Amino acid sequence: AQTVTQSQPEMSVQEAETVTLSCTYDTSESNYYLFWYKQPPSRQMILVIRQEAYKQQNATENRFSVNFQKAAKSFSLKISDSQLGDTAMYFCAFMKPESMDSNYQLIWGAGTKLIIKP
Amino acid sequence: DSGVTQTPKHLITATGQRVTLRCSPRSGDLSVYWYQQSLDQGLQFLIQYYNGEERAKGNILERFSAQQFPDLHSELNLSSLELGDSALYFCASTGAGRPQETQYFGPGTRLLVL
Repeated sequence: AQTVTQSQPEMSVQEAETVTLSCTYDTSESNYYLFWYKQPPSRQMILVIRQEAYKQQNATENRFSVNFQKAAKSFSLKISDSQLGDTAMYFCAFMKPESMDSNYQLIWGAGTKLIIKP
Repeated sequence: DSGVTQTPKHLITATGQRVTLRCSPRSGDLSVYWYQQSLDQGLQFLIQYYNGEERAKGNILERFSAQQFPDLHSELNLSSLELGDSALYFCASTGAGRPQETQYFGPGTRLLVL
């Protein structure tokens, strides 16, 4: 069974600094999908960035980028020029590829609480 | 705003009661997923529907049930509620229920069982 591990329960950085959140996963699949979701204090679950495993190029969305290391099964999120509004829980999630059982549930990490200090 | 709506936003009830949570997917989306998030924890997948049919089941208790209606909205029914059922319940939707699609989440329903 697939698992997702986020080893940093909480992180804190100063505004404008760069921060990297780690995520590792375990799977025997060769193709799959990885996601970072953000959950601010409002508790809304918001997609930050996604990566398809067959793509070698790391995904980027403005200040957010990932370091996808397929062999190491690592999928870290880098936030550049951090802002107060980035304060949130960040969840890493895994989705397996299409299969006969059609069971497409996201497998979630436990989350990292990120605090951006002014 | 993801386009997914959930009602009610908050629900307070007593042990042993039954409640119904409602979700409307984004316009055009056929698949709905339900998740449970207990306090400061990750999400647990409960169940998925596609175009009215149950497609996948996760760790959903027998006291819980769900359905998706012809207009594609979905309802999650929780019965014989226990204190441990207090949680944030999310629904998410995708177009065709395929793994490569991003799941867009509603704002959640916060359930408190007293």
